[in-house]
Amino acid sequence: GESVGLHLPTLSVQEGDNSIINCAYSNSASDYFIWYKQESGKGPQFIIDIRSNMDKRQGQRVTVLLNKTVKHLSLQIAATQPGDSAVYFCAENIRQAGTALIFGKGTTLSVSS
Amino acid sequence: DGGITQSPKYLFRKEGQNVTLSCEQNLNHDAMYWYRQDPGQGLRLIYYSQIVNDFQKGDIAEGYSVSREKKESFPLTVTSAQKNPTAFYLCATRDWDTGELFFGEGSRLTVL
Repeated sequence: GESVGLHLPTLSVQEGDNSIINCAYSNSASDYFIWYKQESGKGPQFIIDIRSNMDKRQGQRVTVLLNKTVKHLSLQIAATQPGDSAVYFCAENIRQAGTALIFGKGTTLSVSS
Repeated sequence: DGGITQSPKYLFRKEGQNVTLSCEQNLNHDAMYWYRQDPGQGLRLIYYSQIVNDFQKGDIAEGYSVSREKKESFPLTVTSAQKNPTAFYLCATRDWDTGELFFGEGSRLTVL
């Protein structure tokens, strides 16, 4: 079964707020994690990634935090905009378990103006 | 333009028919994947191929078949043996330098 999951299936925020989307994983052999954004009817798009030798990585308006002690991953979006409304997936790469990423079920982020 | 092209974008099929979904890439990536996505669900792996002329079953391969005769192409056939084929199908390639997975725009299959 899936080893990657998300704490909440939906998240609603106001425009301008900061959003935090969480993801728990269970495999300690996971060495690479990616966050994807999927808009309705489209393929997922890469947002940001992080390797297991890092705790934090920042991009433009996004930050990913990795806590290996509790096997937790989070995506923080600063100053959330209506265009950020989408489904967000975390995915993990399990070292030596094949080449495919394993995906969680996703969190739907809704941003209201 | 570099990328992954999936076709058709929408496909309707009658029960008992086989259909083939196309996936073509010009990213020069060795690894290619097919995922299935159902409403409110994550992505589930159907088949993947790490190199030409080789492919492996994913978590939900029953009722599907693939081929990898060329590096650029990884078509997926949804056979009549697939009991619940209505879904959104995503093709992806992987860049081994970065680890990133790149997705096509998807094909939505509806069985009437």
